[in-house]
Amino acid sequence: GENVEQHPSTLSVQEGDSAVIKCTYSDSASNYFPWYKQELGKRPQLIIDIRSNVGEKKDQRIAVTLNKTAKHFSLHITETQPEDSAVYFCAASKGSASKIIFGSGTRLSIRP
Amino acid sequence: DAGVTQSPTHLIKTRGQQVTLRCSPKSGHDTVSWYQQALGQGPQFIFQYYEEEERQRGNFPDRFSGHQFPNYSSELNVNALLLGDSALYLCASGGGAYSYEQYFGPGTRLTVT
Repeated sequence: GENVEQHPSTLSVQEGDSAVIKCTYSDSASNYFPWYKQELGKRPQLIIDIRSNVGEKKDQRIAVTLNKTAKHFSLHITETQPEDSAVYFCAASKGSASKIIFGSGTRLSIRP
Repeated sequence: DAGVTQSPTHLIKTRGQQVTLRCSPKSGHDTVSWYQQALGQGPQFIFQYYEEEERQRGNFPDRFSGHQFPNYSSELNVNALLLGDSALYLCASGGGAYSYEQYFGPGTRLTVT
């Protein structure tokens, strides 16, 4: 069945260091991979996404990479700041407005 | 340009009761999906509505039903509430056939006692 696995479940990094979250997906038909940030008590917020025809995408301090062959994708946050503390979800879907399958989430804490 | 809105923000119901949650999609969006997020977990897909019809459905029982109106807004109905239905219910809207992104509303926190 469709499944997205996410690691680690918790991550603590020193402010200014980098954080990496890794995910794998099971359905080879998946072609869209969004990442959501969810702060306590708030909605999931789309922070970056990547489509299957692209291997890497960067937006300021955030980058995503995709390895279609291995069915792996990752989120990289550089120069972490206190406001990066939140739960991050990776996800996969099979295209336009299709259902999104979420990973189990990574709780990222930034140590001052 | 309003984003996705949901009502109510919080709701407390008793086991066996019925509940209706509401969602208005982002301006220009015509697809509405509903998700259930239990505490400490990722959102789980319930179903999706497009052109007033249920287009996809996740692994949820028939107690969960929905509706989409001509103005693209949507309702989620849950009958015979169980304690396990306590969760954050999220609505996400998307822009139709060629749009991949989906944006979430603030959610409705449902507590079943």
